[in-house]
Amino acid sequence: EIVLTQSPGTLSLSPGERATLSCRASQSINRYLAWYQQKPGQAPRLLIYDASNRATGIPARFSGSGSGTDFTLTISSLEPEDFAVYYCQQRTTFGQGTRLEI
Amino acid sequence: QVLLVESGGGAVQPGRSLRLSCEASGFTFSHYALNWVRQGPGKGLEWLSLISDDGTRTYSADSVKGRFTISRDNSKNILYLQMNSLTIDDTAVYYCARMGVPGAILGWFDPWGQGTLVTVSS
Repeated sequence: EIVLTQSPGTLSLSPGERATLSCRASQSINRYLAWYQQKPGQAPRLLIYDASNRATGIPARFSGSGSGTDFTLTISSLEPEDFAVYYCQQRTTFGQGTRLEI
Repeated sequence: QVLLVESGGGAVQPGRSLRLSCEASGFTFSHYALNWVRQGPGKGLEWLSLISDDGTRTYSADSVKGRFTISRDNSKNILYLQMNSLTIDDTAVYYCARMGVPGAILGWFDPWGQGTLVTVSS
């Protein structure tokens, strides 16, 4: 079973800064990785699929990269609404999440 | 607009059963596989179960295998999760989530329902 490890656990940044979130797989998963954003009291929302494809309606400041075992979600310039928890996912496995806080 | 709306959650005693429903609209229900995912209080996301578009194939996490059963009614556009022998550890928000691609049983989940809270307590 594949394990997804996200780092850091918590990332403290300010609006306007660049955020870089990492997801590492325990074995190669090609480019089969998705990223989700979850705000308090809300369901997860798909941001990125197949490692680098933005979902419909997702702003261009969100980008994904990587392949094999190492993946990155980058938010180029943080907006106040971006502070949330982010999860990576491959098949039936989720990472433990990264909390992005002000 | 693609919409998934869960219902059936509530408070239940340990050992009892509960059935969750997820009503879908805005897309051709019978073309997509569907999932149940839960999130315990203050915890991360845990995938529970998947059912294929035609309902002939189901897959479940070891943590719920033998206790939870996923099913669907393509004539009513409803997904179900029958939960038996509930324990305190099953307390969570339960989400239904559609696969992102028609026919696929692997891949990303999009969209998700708003979730329904199940509280197991004596």
